[in-house]
Amino acid sequence: DAKTTQPPSMDCAEGRAANLPCNHSTISGNEYVYWYRQIHSQGPQYIIHGLKNNETNEMASLIITEDRKSSTLILPHATLRDTAVYYCIVRVAVRRGGSQGNLIFGKGTKLSVKP
Amino acid sequence: DGGITQSPKYLFRKEGQNVTLSCEQNLNHDAMYWYRQDPGQGLRLIYYSQIVNDFQKGDIAEGYSVSREKKESFPLTVTSAQKNPTAFYLCASSIGTGSGSYEQYFGPGTRLTVT
Repeated sequence: DAKTTQPPSMDCAEGRAANLPCNHSTISGNEYVYWYRQIHSQGPQYIIHGLKNNETNEMASLIITEDRKSSTLILPHATLRDTAVYYCIVRVAVRRGGSQGNLIFGKGTKLSVKP
Repeated sequence: DGGITQSPKYLFRKEGQNVTLSCEQNLNHDAMYWYRQDPGQGLRLIYYSQIVNDFQKGDIAEGYSVSREKKESFPLTVTSAQKNPTAFYLCASSIGTGSGSYEQYFGPGTRLTVT
C-alpha cells in the first residue's frame, strides 16, 4: 500500500495561504489522494480528494503533480479555526480478502495558524 | 440533521470490565468503521462493516468485538482481553467501500479511560 510523508508541523499567518505538502511516491494508478483534518479532540473532517486532476471546493484546493508522486493542499485564506492536524492519505488498493476502502492515517502535519 | 453520533463522549471503566461504545448514523451509509487513536498518533482501524450482518477485522481487532444488526448502528465492545483499552475511539461511515472514491464521515469520538 502506498504510504505518505508529511512534515510534522507548519506555521501560517492568519489570512495568508497555507500550503501543506505530501509525498506519496509509491502511489498506484488507481489510488486516490485524500485529505482530512482533525481539530483537537474531535473526529477527523473530510476536506477534499483527487485522482489525477487538481480539485477545488469551498474548503480548499488540491494540487497533484503530473507524476502523482506528491500533492499540496492549499487553504487560500487561513483562519485561526484552521489550526488542526492535517492528514494526507492514499486510499489502499483493493486486494484479495483485504480491506477495501479503508484509510490509513499517519501522524499528519500539525498546522498552527497564528494571528 | 444527518450525521454520526457517538455516545458517551467520555467513558470511565474499571480494568476487567467489558464496555460497549455506541455509534449511530442516519446518512443511509452502507459501510461503517471503528478506529482507535492514541495520543500524538494517527488512527488505526479496528473493525469495519460493508453491509448489515457482515464485518471484517481491521489492523488491531484483538480484544474488540462488533455487531451490525442494523444499517444505522455499529456498536463496539472493548473486552477485558484488550491490554491497553484507554484511547480515543472514532466511528466513521461511508456510502460504500468499492473501487470508487468514498469519503468517510466521522463521529465526534468517545474517550475511554480504563483504570
